[in-house]
Amino acid sequence: QVHLQESGPGLVEPSETLSLTCAVSGDFISSGFYWGWIRQSPGKGLEWIGSIYHSGSSNYNPSLRSRVAISTDTSKNQVSLNLYSVTAADTAVYYCARQVVVVNTGVLDWFDPWGQGTVVTVSS
Amino acid sequence: SYELTQPPSVSVSPGQTAGVTCSGDKLGDKYVCWYQQKPGQSPILVIYQDTKRPSGIPERFSGSNSGNTATLTISGTQAMDEADYYCQAWDSSTVVFGGGTKLTVL
Repeated sequence: QVHLQESGPGLVEPSETLSLTCAVSGDFISSGFYWGWIRQSPGKGLEWIGSIYHSGSSNYNPSLRSRVAISTDTSKNQVSLNLYSVTAADTAVYYCARQVVVVNTGVLDWFDPWGQGTVVTVSS
Repeated sequence: SYELTQPPSVSVSPGQTAGVTCSGDKLGDKYVCWYQQKPGQSPILVIYQDTKRPSGIPERFSGSNSGNTATLTISGTQAMDEADYYCQAWDSSTVVFGGGTKLTVL
């Protein structure tokens, strides 16, 4: 059974960098799936941040692309998220999830499973 | 940028059929999946590639996608189905989520 666990600071100061890690168990991040980050602001809907393949190939939400970096560490079987120059608007629950890529199309499809999420508050 | 539009809320009586719609330009040409999210929990996948149901998801959940609208249908809705539902699609190398629909069972 695949399990994803997000971790990182629960409080980040404005203008600083939000750094989160997603530890994967029950699967290898080099197994042929993409790995994504999604966030949910309080009382709001889901917002895709970006997705990455173990080779480094990645896709990002255009609205966040200039401030986001997602990376993988195959030795630790982890996926990391860095979000730079954060503001209060970045306060959210951050989820990592495994994502299917449709063979021979490059289409990134459904997310399953999801981690439990980690709450990040941006405040001084 | 591509947008997926969902009604903010849908109400259904127990035992009846609920339909949650997701609209987007030529959505029928794309794959759509659906997630269920209960308060304080992570989303779970209930439908993928328009009509397919993951193992463990009850048969009362079904999906369709044609034209500009995808629909999640819950037959014989139960109280436990009360949740937020989100659609998702892929467009121009971007994952797009709908705004979510709160399903109330009353």
